[in-house]
Amino acid sequence: TQLLEQSPQFLSIQEGENLTVYCNSSSVFSSLQWYRQEPGEGPVLLVTVVTGGEVKKLKRLTFQFGDARKDSSLHITAAQPGDTGLYLCANSKLTFGKGITLSVRP
Amino acid sequence: GAVVSQHPSWVICKSGTSVKIECRSLDFQATTMFWYRQFPKQSLMLMATSNEGSKATYEQGVEKDKFLINHASLTLSTLTVTSAHPEDSSFYICSAREESGLAGISYEQYFGPGTRLTVT
Repeated sequence: TQLLEQSPQFLSIQEGENLTVYCNSSSVFSSLQWYRQEPGEGPVLLVTVVTGGEVKKLKRLTFQFGDARKDSSLHITAAQPGDTGLYLCANSKLTFGKGITLSVRP
Repeated sequence: GAVVSQHPSWVICKSGTSVKIECRSLDFQATTMFWYRQFPKQSLMLMATSNEGSKATYEQGVEKDKFLINHASLTLSTLTVTSAHPEDSSFYICSAREESGLAGISYEQYFGPGTRLTVT
């Protein structure tokens, strides 16, 4: 079973700040997905990355897949309170990381 | 986008009773659905894969006789928690994989809103 490590585990920042969070594994991902989950709701798919070195943008969110396809990062520019939530990465075998709890203070 | 619904949103039941949770894909057909459990402040743990027209595949450590899964149609899977105990209290989430492309292969799954189960 592929282990997915996410870091940091918790992050609390002020509105307007930038942040980067990570998803790492010791083995290669065939594909990797990022989700955001709000309390009491199911996860919502943000992006799927497949190709090493791939960069995808979703408004203020930038997702990068490592060249070796063993890691991925999510960068949020000018964070807003609406970005608050649990950010999860998952592999194609439906294994999830433990998640990153992000809190953006107004 | 693809929509998955769950019913009920929350349920409270007494210890020893059984509870059924429904998962529906509303605007697409899903030959495969997945059931997860999530404890507070923890990640999702895959419990089982539900296959339309065949038996579900359970993850290691998940009791198939306790968590009964039925996937009778391409849009509906049900999870029944039998003889529920307080330790079964959790957030249960289903997801459905939308098959796409000529090869019928999709990397993406869509999640339902979850069902909060509390066993007293």
